[in-house]
Amino acid sequence: GENVEQHPSTLSVQEGDSAVIKCTYSDSASNYFPWYKQELGKGPQLIIDIRSNVGEKKDQRIAVTLNKTAKHFSLHITETQPEDSAVYFCAATFSGGSYIPTFGRGTSLIVHP
Amino acid sequence: EAGVAQSPRYKIIEKRQSVAFWCNPISGHATLYWYQQILGQGPKLLIQFQNNGVVDDSQLPKDRFSAERLKGVDSTLKIQPAKLEDSAVYLCASSLAEATTEAFFGQGTRLTVV
Repeated sequence: GENVEQHPSTLSVQEGDSAVIKCTYSDSASNYFPWYKQELGKGPQLIIDIRSNVGEKKDQRIAVTLNKTAKHFSLHITETQPEDSAVYFCAATFSGGSYIPTFGRGTSLIVHP
Repeated sequence: EAGVAQSPRYKIIEKRQSVAFWCNPISGHATLYWYQQILGQGPKLLIQFQNNGVVDDSQLPKDRFSAERLKGVDSTLKIQPAKLEDSAVYLCASSLAEATTEAFFGQGTRLTVV
């Protein structure tokens, strides 16, 4: 089955700095890679996703890159703000048939004002 | 648009007792997921429904966990009997179709087994 590794487990930055979270996956069949933000006491919320036919996607201060050859993808947050503080999860899955969406273990991002 | 509704929000039970969680997905969403999230870890899929049929339950501990989605809408997840290691947040999510469409999560039910 799929295995997703996520690093770092904790990331502390100053407001205005950039933050980068990296994930690797094991199954080359995976073709959909969502990123979720989870605030305390809430369920995960999708913030951005990327499919395997695209190398990069950007949405305002958030961007995701995908390297299919190396089987890794990354989340980039620029100009971080205190409200970006949360736990971020990457996931990998495959469209079609029965496939288990697999999540990374999460990164706790702390943005200091 | 109403989100995914889950109840209860919190539950404390003793080991060997039974417990049930309820989920009401977003209207029109065919796919429903139950995840288990242990503290400090990412969500782990327990079972996936497509309408009222099970797509995947390979990670569901079937000796104690059961789930159903009658009429392809609401779903219940049951644990009987509970063990200490079942303490976790149980998340329900739904999506329009299969895995590669956006999944919307509920707030979860925090289960503590003592």
